[in-house]
Amino acid sequence: DTGVSQNPRHKITKRGQNVTFRCDPISEHNRLYWYRQTLGQGPEFLTYFQNEAQLEKSRLLSDRFSAERPKGSFSTLEIQRTEQGDSAMYLCASSSTKRGLAEQDTQYFGPGTRLTVL
Amino acid sequence: QKEVEQDPGPLSVPEGAIVSLNCTYSNSAFQYFMWYRQYSRKGPELLMYTYSSGNKEDGRFTAQVDKSSKYISLFIRDSQPSDSATYLCAMSARSGGGADGLTFGKGTHLIIQP
Repeated sequence: DTGVSQNPRHKITKRGQNVTFRCDPISEHNRLYWYRQTLGQGPEFLTYFQNEAQLEKSRLLSDRFSAERPKGSFSTLEIQRTEQGDSAMYLCASSSTKRGLAEQDTQYFGPGTRLTVL
Repeated sequence: QKEVEQDPGPLSVPEGAIVSLNCTYSNSAFQYFMWYRQYSRKGPELLMYTYSSGNKEDGRFTAQVDKSSKYISLFIRDSQPSDSATYLCAMSARSGGGADGLTFGKGTHLIIQP
């Protein structure tokens, strides 16, 4: 396992369409995060899972956004009725709370999915 | 005022110079501090992770945290053209971010001139 993977890497869609992104975390990691990053800004926290439970959602996550992590493994982020303001890089990160693991609690990021809404 | 302030640059220095990157923050609850490096159109890569005040060194990189001043720094010695990237500071009140995630600065765009 070489790290966090995200698919697709790029997505171009038309306004009003639905899109879904996938994140596969590092296999031993029980925590999973989604962030959004726009040009010239740092990543902004969207939501957090511990195992399969979604424990926190930012106010940035409007009703059009939904995230799942079935069985505590991979996660999906869906955006319904996309708007041009949704254009951004969507980043996934994972970490572990297991003691003894190297860099415990450190968040490791995937390469991101770049979304362009036309 | 944003919780974390970071000069976006660009910061341009000659190869071999010592680079100093900084962030200030306003939330006194922050205890965990990180520096990430991000190349264009890639995900952030963790460079340094520190807890509370003090210094931490790893190879050419040194991270400093001064909680009394709410100020953190990253120093890069013997800078190389391959160090050219955006450097993001990040911080959290809980270990690993917890349920709140990490709070990032805007990132500083660093250019090392050969």
